[in-house]
Amino acid sequence: NAGVTQTPKFRILKIGQSMTLQCAQDMNHNYMYWYRQDPGMGLKLIYYSVGAGITDKGEVPNGYNVSRSTTEDFPLRLELAAPSQTSVYFCASSYSQGLGQPQHFGDGTRLSIL
Amino acid sequence: TQLLEQSPQFLSIQEGENLTVYCNSSSVFSSLQWYRQEPGEGPVLLVTVVTGGEVKKLKRLTFQFGDARKDSSLHITAAQPGDTGLYLCAGVDSGNTPLVFGKGTRLSVIA
Repeated sequence: NAGVTQTPKFRILKIGQSMTLQCAQDMNHNYMYWYRQDPGMGLKLIYYSVGAGITDKGEVPNGYNVSRSTTEDFPLRLELAAPSQTSVYFCASSYSQGLGQPQHFGDGTRLSIL
Repeated sequence: TQLLEQSPQFLSIQEGENLTVYCNSSSVFSSLQWYRQEPGEGPVLLVTVVTGGEVKKLKRLTFQFGDARKDSSLHITAAQPGDTGLYLCAGVDSGNTPLVFGKGTRLSVIA
């Protein structure tokens, strides 16, 4: 019963490097989300997707890119990593964005940029 | 942009005490959810409230949605160390938009 799987769990990057955070879900959910969580700041939405081939910006999209080629996968790409992108990144999925539908979260990727 | 304000930001209490945390907004939400997040893990849904004035109970946790659907509270009776964690409220407005999360209340229950 995997749910939402995020890899890697931890990563240290140098300023200017690029990387892709992976997210996969096995619940056949159409909706997927990427959040970042900074200390004391709750969850901020980076990008989301309502289905394969469709993505949209959230509150803090700058410096990130996403793609959704399949229902299962929703990778988050960081180009030219900056110290301000040091954070914990969570991927989530849901059946819909309708009334009361829960989001299911992965365990996060802890990213440090030095 | 809709905002959800949670209070208090931090709360440290002794085992067995009661507590209430709040989630307030100036906007109306069609539904509101409460999540609990433990260290090193993602948030996990506790409850969803949909109807104004609705009260839901989950063992020692009581959730209430305000009559005007702008606020919610979480009351914990006889807190246990296992209740320690970050409690997040999240709301959906009337449109097909993503959840908006509050910043959370970090609860520590000391044995």
